[in-house]
Amino acid sequence: GENVEQHPSTLSVQEGDSAVIKCTYSDSASNYFPWYKQELGKRPQLIIDIRSNVGEKKDQRIAVTLNKTAKHFSLHITETQPEDSAVYFCARTGGGNKLTFGTGTQLKVEL
Amino acid sequence: GAGVSQSPRYKVAKRGQDVALRCDPISGHVSLFWYQQALGQGPEFLTYFQNEAQLDKSGLPSDRFFAERPEGSVSTLKIQRTQQEDSAVYLCASSLEALALYEQYFGPGTRLTVT
Repeated sequence: GENVEQHPSTLSVQEGDSAVIKCTYSDSASNYFPWYKQELGKRPQLIIDIRSNVGEKKDQRIAVTLNKTAKHFSLHITETQPEDSAVYFCARTGGGNKLTFGTGTQLKVEL
Repeated sequence: GAGVSQSPRYKVAKRGQDVALRCDPISGHVSLFWYQQALGQGPEFLTYFQNEAQLDKSGLPSDRFFAERPEGSVSTLKIQRTQQEDSAVYLCASSLEALALYEQYFGPGTRLTVT
């Protein structure tokens, strides 16, 4: 199917710790995997993306890994800060340009 | 530069009324998408335009929903005879190219409340 499963639904970490969010999909045609951060009442904003010909991508404290064989991809945030608190959505494109989103992870970074 | 803009930001409609939601994509962006985001959920695809052509409307939930992009820039999403289940945030996104590998930039959304 087209669904993307995302876990966990909520994640609470201490400031400075790492956070990991995982997503799985079933459509083998998926070739683009973005991650969006959405603060309350705001628009989704792209924080990192990965394409199917790459296994890992890193941008400062944020990294994404992709395992196409197992059909899962993960977001890793290191040295978390209070401003990282938000809802994070994974997504994928498959046959066509539309994005199919995961169900979201509420990340809370506690002082 | 200017991002994707949407208007109105908030809309309250009585059940049965028609509404029109506007999206101004980033200038020069070929692709335009509409998504519906219910409270506490991820955005769900409604429809896709490549320039003025509506290439995918598989996500429109009923024939009460209609979208257009007549000149390949501004788009309007119209909902006729609104129902309470239409209450949601309607997000517009645009992308530079027609390929699936390009970033989609989102607008701030229109929060529709049907009473």
